[in-house]
Amino acid sequence: EVKLQQSGDELVRPGASVKISCKASGYTFTSYSMHWVKQRPGQGLEWIGAIIPIIDTTEYNQKFKGKATLTADKSSNTANMELSRLTSEDSAVYYCARHGTGIFDYWGQGVMVTVSS
Amino acid sequence: DTVLTQSPALAVSPGERVTISCRASESVSTLMHWYQQKPGQQPKLLIYKASNLASGVPARFSGSGSGTDFTFTIDPVEADDIATYYCHQSWNSPLTFGSGTKLEIK
Repeated sequence: EVKLQQSGDELVRPGASVKISCKASGYTFTSYSMHWVKQRPGQGLEWIGAIIPIIDTTEYNQKFKGKATLTADKSSNTANMELSRLTSEDSAVYYCARHGTGIFDYWGQGVMVTVSS
Repeated sequence: DTVLTQSPALAVSPGERVTISCRASESVSTLMHWYQQKPGQQPKLLIYKASNLASGVPARFSGSGSGTDFTFTIDPVEADDIATYYCHQSWNSPLTFGSGTKLEIK
C-alpha cells in the first residue's frame, strides 16, 4: 500500500525556518517525483515545486523560489521541504504528493504550519 | 501562468446531475485532472487526463474536454459528494489548480 506520512504540525516564530518531512512507503521512492502543494486556510491549492529523488533535480514555482528548498533522502525514502524567513503569509497546510504519470495519485495527510509570535 | 477558471459554488439535490466547468487561459491539451477535497482531508484524485476514471472511483463521476474547456460531471449526486472540487493542469509549468467549486447538497 502506497503511503505518504508527513511530520507533525508546526508553530513557528516569524522570521524563523521550518523543515517538514514526507516519508514514503509501499513503492520505489526513486521511481517517482515528489511534489509539494500549499493550501492557505479556506483557500485553493498552490503548487510549490518538485524533486526527482533519483537524480536530486528540483523544479520550483517561481513564486516559491527562495522560500522553499526541497531535498530527498534516498536512504530513508523521505522527501523534505524547508521554508525560510517565515511570515504570516506562510501559515498554511502543506501537502506532499507523489507524481505518477503526470498526476498526483497519492497525497500525504498534510502539515499545518502556523507562523505566530 | 495558466489560469484555471471554475464555475462557482453549486447546490444540488441527491439524485440530480451536476456539471462543473473549468476553463484554461491557454491550451493544456488533455492534461486536466479533477480532485475532490472534503473538509480536513487531503485532495483525492477522481479523474485524470480529462476523462479517465481513477482507480476505485465510482462511475458516477466522469470528465470530458480538451484544449481549454473541460467539464466534470457527477450523475447521480449522492449526499456524500459534499466537497470542494478542483481542476488541475499539468501541461504547462508552473502546475496550477482552479479555485475550486464547492458542492452543496440541498
